[in-house]
Amino acid sequence: RKEVEQDPGPFNVPEGATVAFNCTYSNSASQSFFWYRQDCRKEPKLLMSVYSSGNEDGRFTAQLNRASQYISLLIRDSKLSDSATYLCVVNSDGGGFKTIFGAGTRLFVKA
Amino acid sequence: DVKVTQSSRYLVKRTGEKVFLECVQDMDHENMFWYRQDPGLGLRLIYFSYDVKMKEKGDIPEGYSVSREKKERFSLILESASTNQTSMYLCATLAGVVETQYFGPGTRLLVL
Repeated sequence: RKEVEQDPGPFNVPEGATVAFNCTYSNSASQSFFWYRQDCRKEPKLLMSVYSSGNEDGRFTAQLNRASQYISLLIRDSKLSDSATYLCVVNSDGGGFKTIFGAGTRLFVKA
Repeated sequence: DVKVTQSSRYLVKRTGEKVFLECVQDMDHENMFWYRQDPGLGLRLIYFSYDVKMKEKGDIPEGYSVSREKKERFSLILESASTNQTSMYLCATLAGVVETQYFGPGTRLLVL
């Protein structure tokens, strides 16, 4: 089982749609969680951190469920410019620091 | 803003050549990383360093070595490039375990 698993997609949605991505992680000692966005042929960039209380940034909402070891990202009113790959990222520090990246979920938003 | 730069955006080398990829950061971060990214495999950690002259193997260190002589600079070395090392190489820095990683723009390496 991979340490961080994501649905690879691709997700093909029309503009204005709401889309949700899920991510599960296996290490219960994981300490911090993030969603990154990666455009084609570019480096990953931080989209948002994920907190147990949930956090929202405009059209984007991230949730963390520690009991189920599950992270989600919700994009509302999707735009063409949201087309990208979304990476789930988990940091842990049990027996040595480690960052694990999910393989990413591809999103295509179409007009 | 954190700035992470990599010496080349695109590189073409021949099999057997020694290849140096340089990464420089300006935020005084202690932790630096080298990854490679391949379609369908995601980001895989090659080596990381948590201090000057310190290095740790990641998940796929074979065929690579690293050097960290100064805090701001972390070099990845391919001792004898092979075609299966054709990939996108990404350098990243990190301030601490609850922090995010900041990536350089990447180097697309093609080994012929």
